[in-house]
Amino acid sequence: SQKIEQNSEALNIQEGKTATLTCNYTNYSPAYLQWYRQDPGRGPVFLLLIRENEKEKRKERLKVTFDTTLKQSLFHITASQPADSATYLCALPYTGTASKLTFGTGTRLQVTL
Amino acid sequence: EAQVTQNPRYLITVTGKKLTVTCSQNMNHEYMSWYRQDPGLGLRQIYYSMNVEVTDKGDVPEGYKVSRKEKRNFPLILESPSPNQTSLYFCASSLGMNLPRQTQYFGPGTRLLVL
Repeated sequence: SQKIEQNSEALNIQEGKTATLTCNYTNYSPAYLQWYRQDPGRGPVFLLLIRENEKEKRKERLKVTFDTTLKQSLFHITASQPADSATYLCALPYTGTASKLTFGTGTRLQVTL
Repeated sequence: EAQVTQNPRYLITVTGKKLTVTCSQNMNHEYMSWYRQDPGLGLRQIYYSMNVEVTDKGDVPEGYKVSRKEKRNFPLILESPSPNQTSLYFCASSLGMNLPRQTQYFGPGTRLLVL
């Protein structure tokens, strides 16, 4: 069955450091992969999308990589700030039917001073 | 302002009492979806709709109904709620699901408690 795995343990890092979050998947051949940010009690907010033929995508302090051989995406936040503290979710469309989107359980990031 | 709205935001009800959670978007999106979010299980899709009068099951449709009579509205109906439907519910919409229309916009969430 199709499965997405994100590290369920919270990631604690110091302000100014680079945070790296991982999204692994099995039994998917996604045309794209998305990353969302979710703050407690609020709806997810779209951050970045990377297509299957792209290796890397950047947006300001955010960088996403996509390795379709390893079936893995890495999400980096450089020069992290306490305001970056949130849960980050990856999402992929189902193989064979792009009508359904599956989300990982998310990784909580805590950036401390 | 482009947005997805949900009502109510908080709801406490009792087992078996039918309820409807409304969802509306003002972005003329074709695709709409309902998710529930539970600790440790993440976001799981309940139902989705590709367009007016076109709906299909997601991963956890049991105990839920939806309808899409108008493009902007996608209500979630619990005919006979049970305690295992206590959860945080999100409505989402997008232009479509294929590139480049697939970015999902989420509503603020509805927290439901079924006693």
